[in-house]
Amino acid sequence: GAVVSQHPSRVICKSGTSVKIECRSLDFQATTMFWYRQFPKQSLMLMATSNEGSKATYEQGVEKDKFLINHASLTLSTLTVTSAHPEDSSFYICSARDTTSGFYNEQFFGPGTRLTVL
Amino acid sequence: GDSVTQMEGPVTLSEEAFLTINCTYTATGYPSLFWYVQYPGEGLQLLLKATKADDKGSNKGFEATYRKETTSFHLEKGSVQVSDSAVYFCAQEDGGATNKLIFGTGTLLAVQP
Repeated sequence: GAVVSQHPSRVICKSGTSVKIECRSLDFQATTMFWYRQFPKQSLMLMATSNEGSKATYEQGVEKDKFLINHASLTLSTLTVTSAHPEDSSFYICSARDTTSGFYNEQFFGPGTRLTVL
Repeated sequence: GDSVTQMEGPVTLSEEAFLTINCTYTATGYPSLFWYVQYPGEGLQLLLKATKADDKGSNKGFEATYRKETTSFHLEKGSVQVSDSAVYFCAQEDGGATNKLIFGTGTLLAVQP
């Protein structure tokens, strides 16, 4: 099946710094990518929907200026956590939709990025 | 709003036991329903799906039937293996322009030899 990668898999940073997470679709084109946040023992919460060539659509309660999303190409979306604080520590997961799969456009998920802010 | 509720875990079973993980949903329309599995250290993988009422999704011995009358999509497997140990997520898709997925909280399954 289609493969989605994320980089880095794990990052530790100091409070106040910015962190960029990359999400790539390796063998298919994805006009839409999704960014999720997963808290321990909780579900995935959709943060934003990233569309290639246009602005991302953020879910209610998600700060646009805090979580910057750029979907510059059909295979790459980036999430930048700006001025990170300990409460931003979480597991961030992206998914990409294969728009060429025909009847149903399945979402393929990346392995996630563990962010720890000290 | 639309939501998904699934049974809390962890669920601990012996190998070859029967598995049921309950999932119910609330939706204004008729969403597609999914089960995803997350193995330790890996991303989510689609396990099975159903797109309309009475559809049965199946894969790797797992099954789930889309029950509109009870708004349920329970996951079942007749004989679990140690390799089935993972977190299972039930999800619905809103079917709108963005096709967003709404997830349940996940159920940890631990299968003991």
